[in-house]
Amino acid sequence: KQEVTQIPAALSVPEGENLVLNCSFTDSAIYNLQWFRQDPGKGLTSLLLIQSSQREQTSGRLNASLDKSSGRSTLYIAASQPGDSATYLCAVDNAGNMLTFGGGTRLMVKP
Amino acid sequence: DTGVSQNPRHKITKRGQNVTFRCDPISEHNRLYWYRQTLGQGPEFLTYFQNEAQLEKSRLLSDRFSAERPKGSFSTLEIQRTEQGDSAMYLCASSLRGSDYGYTFGSGTRLTVV
Repeated sequence: KQEVTQIPAALSVPEGENLVLNCSFTDSAIYNLQWFRQDPGKGLTSLLLIQSSQREQTSGRLNASLDKSSGRSTLYIAASQPGDSATYLCAVDNAGNMLTFGGGTRLMVKP
Repeated sequence: DTGVSQNPRHKITKRGQNVTFRCDPISEHNRLYWYRQTLGQGPEFLTYFQNEAQLEKSRLLSDRFSAERPKGSFSTLEIQRTEQGDSAMYLCASSLRGSDYGYTFGSGTRLTVV
């Protein structure tokens, strides 16, 4: 059974800082990995999708990497802004049938 | 296309009542998923459909829960005899099998059982 862990559970940084969110998974036979953002009381917004054959994806100030062999992914946020404050969720798709989510990292960026 | 739509956004119900939620997926997506998320946790898989066929159900989906997707379009999730433990955010997502675009989620339905 796939298990996904996100560290840290919460993170508070000053505005402008670069930061890294970590995601680890136990079963490396994945189809793809997706990072989401969730604002309080809202649904999930997709940030980046990395296919199993890819090593990284970039979108604006966001960069996600994937190392299948070690069961790890990182989400790098450059020059953080208060508007980046949210919960970031990592989710793994093992067989194209469902996503298994981590517990999320709650990010607070202070002005 | 306006994405995945869920209704209602919020539902408050008394314990023991039945509730039904609706999800309208992206029209060209053939897969539809239901997830449940409790406060401070990541979403947990409940069930998914490919077209109108329900292909997998989690053990979290007790016999009080039932989901349908008639004609492979919108889906409904019904909870009978609600319990306080059913209070959660219920999220719907859709995808296109075999696509490289991942899953698209709706805004969710927040259920509070009092």
